[in-house]
Amino acid sequence: ETGVTQSPTHLIKTRGQQVTLRCSSQSGHNTVSWYQQALGQGPQFIFQYYREEENGRGNFPPRFSGLQFPNYSSELNVNALELDDSALYLCASRTMGANSPLHFGNGTRLTVT
Amino acid sequence: GQNIDQPTEMTATEGAIVQINCTYQTSGFNGLFWYQQHAGEAPTFLSYNVLDGLEEKGRFSSFLSRSKGYSYLLLKELQMKDSASYLCAVRVVQTGANNLFFGTGTRLTVIP
Repeated sequence: ETGVTQSPTHLIKTRGQQVTLRCSSQSGHNTVSWYQQALGQGPQFIFQYYREEENGRGNFPPRFSGLQFPNYSSELNVNALELDDSALYLCASRTMGANSPLHFGNGTRLTVT
Repeated sequence: GQNIDQPTEMTATEGAIVQINCTYQTSGFNGLFWYQQHAGEAPTFLSYNVLDGLEEKGRFSSFLSRSKGYSYLLLKELQMKDSASYLCAVRVVQTGANNLFFGTGTRLTVIP
């Protein structure tokens, strides 16, 4: 069983640029969520996708957007990067049941300079 | 919005028992999860509670009281490898979808 994989592992961008992060869900999982985790903090919910549509969103501005593909892989896009966007971005997948736990990838460490 | 509170840091001795508390205030509550996160690694699932009471899984147990908006994670026979952050997360129903919101985490240090 293949777990959740994310790419790239690390990324450095300049303020104002755009970035795309990628995630492959765990086999059999049809729901994917993205989280932002600042150092020493808990993961902050960005949004969730199910059947290629966003069906939940946290308190993040519209410059954070996403996609889910038919094979359940996903992308997180961030436009007009700000210094405060520097964080670990975690992708997590699960089956649709309410009691199904999230399975996390190892994350992408984004640094904005 | 969701309000999830946990202590920031705790220290306990190897072999001892430690209890990590979590309180929450939210609408649309649909379950509470505990995750473990070692430094530099992804969070890993520990336990799930949706009904009141205690769920036991080996050295780890988790308790939930929905009326009090309260949960705790109990770790027994502490080992050095238990040094990690422990994340309390609440599942909330929003516009028909179940979304998971995390607290800031409790950093546990196990000392010899």
